[in-house]
Amino acid sequence: EDQVTQSPEALRLQEGESSSLNCSYTVSGLRGLFWYRQDPGKGPEFLFTLYSAGEEKEKERLKATLTKKESFLHITAPKPEDSATYLCAVQGLTGGGNKLTFGTGTQLKVEL
Amino acid sequence: DAGVIQSPRHEVTEMGQEVTLRCKPISGHDYLFWYRQTMMRGLELLIYFNNNVPIDDSGMPEDRFSAKMPNASFSTLKIQPSEPRDSAVYFCASSLSMGWNDEQYFGPGTRLTVT
Repeated sequence: EDQVTQSPEALRLQEGESSSLNCSYTVSGLRGLFWYRQDPGKGPEFLFTLYSAGEEKEKERLKATLTKKESFLHITAPKPEDSATYLCAVQGLTGGGNKLTFGTGTQLKVEL
Repeated sequence: DAGVIQSPRHEVTEMGQEVTLRCKPISGHDYLFWYRQTMMRGLELLIYFNNNVPIDDSGMPEDRFSAKMPNASFSTLKIQPSEPRDSAVYFCASSLSMGWNDEQYFGPGTRLTVT
C-alpha cells in the first residue's frame, strides 16, 4: 500500500524567511509525485509533477525536488500570499490509472 | 472552461437521511474521482471512473455509499443512510487520459454536516 508522510504539520514563517517542506513516501514503484496547493474553502490546485529521482521543477518562489524516498518543496523568500496548505501525493505502479495517495499536508502561514 | 462544478456547496442533514452530491467534470476529461477530506485522515480517494465506468471503488467506506456516472458530464455520490461520521468535505476531480501522469483538477468541494 502506498504511503505519504508530510512534515511539519504546520509551519509559520516571516516574510522573506526561506524554508522547506518534506514529503516522505513509500510506493512499490513510483509513476509520479505530485504537489498541490490548497487554500481554505477551496479544492487542491496542481503545482508540480516529478517523475524520477534528481528531477527538479520551479514555479515562482517554489522549487520541488525528488529523491528515491522523499520530496522537498523549497520556498524562497515567501510572501503572505504563499500561505496555504501544501499537499503531496504519489501515484504508484500498483494503483492503476490515475489513482493518487495524498499526505495530510503542511499548513504554511507567512507573516509580514 | 468553468472547471469542475460541484453542488451543493454546503449540505446539512439529519442522521438517517439520504444525501446526494453532484459533480460536472471538465469537458473532455475521461477520468473522474471522488475524494473525502477530513482533518484526521486528510484527502482519501473513494472511487474513480474512466469513460463513465467505475474502475476502483476500494475506498468507498461501506455499502451506505454509492456512486454513479450516467454520462460523461455528470456524476453523483450518494450516502444512504447518512451518519454523523460522514461529515467531511467531499471533492470531485477530473483529468485527461493522455497518460498516467496527468494532473487532476479539483472542484470547490461540498461540505457535508450530518447532525
